[in-house]
Amino acid sequence: DAGVIQSPRHEVTEMGQEVTLRCKPISGHNSLFWYRQTMMRGLELLIYFNNNVPIDDSGMPEDRFSAKMPNASFSTLKIQPSEPRDSAVYFCASSLGEGGQGGNQPQHFGDGTRLSIL
Amino acid sequence: AQKVTQAQTEISVVEKEDVTLDCVYETRDTTYYLFWYKQPPSGELVFLIRRNSFDEQNEISGRYSWNFQKSTSSFNFTITASQVVDSAVYFCALKGYGGSQGNLIFGKGTKLSVKP
Repeated sequence: DAGVIQSPRHEVTEMGQEVTLRCKPISGHNSLFWYRQTMMRGLELLIYFNNNVPIDDSGMPEDRFSAKMPNASFSTLKIQPSEPRDSAVYFCASSLGEGGQGGNQPQHFGDGTRLSIL
Repeated sequence: AQKVTQAQTEISVVEKEDVTLDCVYETRDTTYYLFWYKQPPSGELVFLIRRNSFDEQNEISGRYSWNFQKSTSSFNFTITASQVVDSAVYFCALKGYGGSQGNLIFGKGTKLSVKP
């Protein structure tokens, strides 16, 4: 069975450029999550969707960050303009949702995108 | 507020030793869920186990076992007869019930190094 698929695996770009990270959740999962992992702050939830609708985006650090989920099988996280402090590993996860809140089902993570902003 | 504390930042053991990773959590929810994830050096996050707050039975899966104690708000993870392949960062996580409390709150992780 295909897991959560993220692309690209690695991204190196210069400050000020637009960065788009992509995620394909596990088929049938209706909750999707974007996380950021850094040494200093650990794993932080940025935003999560249920049935393609953003439920909680309180973790999105700034207006430079935006996320979309146009359909059940695709989501993007965009940073525009990017800054060196955005360098991190970005994970996408999906789960079966219950009651619109993600329920108690485990989240299954993609392999992550390692982003470096120079 | 919800919080997960993994007090052990790093643990180093020799192969075949048993090792316990500690996890203490805080929540005001009466219904909640606890998880353990493994992050090997390759970087992916692998789901290991989920526990509901109303089920305090311990669980064993091969060399892995989990001890859930509501009285001490702990959900500890033991690896028996550790192997080099167990070397990874292990995360404990908590999820409340409903609203934004449905988000997963992760601990800082414990880095386990198993030496041959």
